[in-house]
Amino acid sequence: GDSVTQMEGPVTLSEEACLTINCTYTATGYPSLFWYVQYPGEGLQLLLKATKADDKGSNKGFEATYRKETTSFHLEKGSVQVSDSAVYFCALRASSASKIIFGSGTRLSIRP
Amino acid sequence: DSGVTQTPKHLITATGQRVTLRCSPRSGDLSVYWYQQSLDQGLQFLIQYYNGEERAKGNILERFSAQQFPDLHSELNLSSLELGDSALYFCASSVGHQNTGELFFGEGSRLTVL
Repeated sequence: GDSVTQMEGPVTLSEEACLTINCTYTATGYPSLFWYVQYPGEGLQLLLKATKADDKGSNKGFEATYRKETTSFHLEKGSVQVSDSAVYFCALRASSASKIIFGSGTRLSIRP
Repeated sequence: DSGVTQTPKHLITATGQRVTLRCSPRSGDLSVYWYQQSLDQGLQFLIQYYNGEERAKGNILERFSAQQFPDLHSELNLSSLELGDSALYFCASSVGHQNTGELFFGEGSRLTVL
């Protein structure tokens, strides 16, 4: 079945460091791919998305590129801030489905 | 504020009991999704309703059931509770049944089973 695998956390970085959180997926057809973020004590919220191969989603300095050849959707940011500390979830929606499948989440902590 | 309201925020109960979690979707959204977030299993899709009808089913136990009412609010019923049911239960909503992928999540209901 469809699934999402993302790098295990926690990830701890210093402020202004570069960030990459790896995400790979398994799905039939052409899924849509997403990154959601969960700040402490809150529900998940959509960070960015890409709906077809080679699309790049971006928001708040984060970006991710839909790579069909490697079935990946890695999240990147060039310079992280303390306020980026949160749990990040990679997710997909298969082309024929309505439900969204989430990865296990990666906790990111940024040190001042 | 996502516009999705979940109650109660916290709930502590004993094994064998039954609880009901409630969700009010964002105004105008017709789809409601339920997810279970536990430490060892991540975020698991349970069930989706669209305009009162069950639309998709995930890893929902037979002890659990859900429904969506005519006013579009939804309830998740958990019965014969076990220790392993302790988790954060999220409700999310979207406009359509085959959405663009943007789900709006509530803040969750934390269930503790003792």
